[in-house]
Amino acid sequence: EVQLVQSGAEVKKPGESLKISCQASGYSFTNYWIGWVRQMPGKGLEWMGIIYPGDSDTRYSPSFQGHVTISVDKSISTAYLQWSSLKASDTAMYYCARPHYDSSGYDLAYFDYWGQGTLVTVSS
Amino acid sequence: QSVLTQPPSVSAAPGQKVTISCSGSSSNIGNNYVSWYQQFPGTAPKLVIYENNKRPSGTPDRFSGSKSDTSATLGITGLQTGDEADYYCGTWDSGLSAFGGGTKLTVL
Repeated sequence: EVQLVQSGAEVKKPGESLKISCQASGYSFTNYWIGWVRQMPGKGLEWMGIIYPGDSDTRYSPSFQGHVTISVDKSISTAYLQWSSLKASDTAMYYCARPHYDSSGYDLAYFDYWGQGTLVTVSS
Repeated sequence: QSVLTQPPSVSAAPGQKVTISCSGSSSNIGNNYVSWYQQFPGTAPKLVIYENNKRPSGTPDRFSGSKSDTSATLGITGLQTGDEADYYCGTWDSGLSAFGGGTKLTVL
C-alpha cells in the first residue's frame, strides 16, 4: 500500500528556518517524482514543485522558485521542503503528493497519492 | 490568480446533476490531461478523475469528466449530501503543474 506520511505541525517565528518531511512507502521511491502543494488558510491548492529522487532533478513553480528548497534522502525514502527564513505569509497547510505518469508513460498527468498535510504556523 | 479558472461555487439539490467547469489555455489543458480532486474540510485532496475522464478505483460512476479544447468539465449525477466538498481541476504545462482555484459544491 502506497503511503506518504508527513511530519507534524510546526509553530515558528518570522526569520526562522524550517524543514518538513514526507516519508514514502509501498513503492519504489526512486522511480516516481514527488512534490509539494501549498494551501493557505481558506484558500485553494497551489503547486510548489517536484523532485525526481532518482537523480534529484527538481522543478519549481515560478511563484515559489528561490523561496523554498525541495530535496530528498533516497536512503530513507523521504522528501523535504525547506525554508531558510520564514515569513508570516508562509503560514499554510503543506501537502506532499506523488505525480503519476499518463498512460503513455512519458508525461506527468495527475497526483494519485497525497500525504496527510503539515500545518506550518509562522507568528511572532 | 490561478492559471485554470473555476466557478467559486455551485449548488444543486440531492438527486440532481451538477457540472463544474475548468477553463485553461492551449499550453495547459489544450495539450495535457486534466485531473480532478475532491477535498473535504480538514482533509487532504483525493483524486476522483484522471486523464480527463478515467475514474480511479473507489470513485463512484456518478462522477464523470470530459475535455474539449481548452476546457474541462466534472459532472456529478445523483447528488448526495456526502458529495458536498471543494473540487479542484489540475493539469500540466511544460512539465509544471497547476490547479484551478477550486469550486465549493453545496448540496442543498
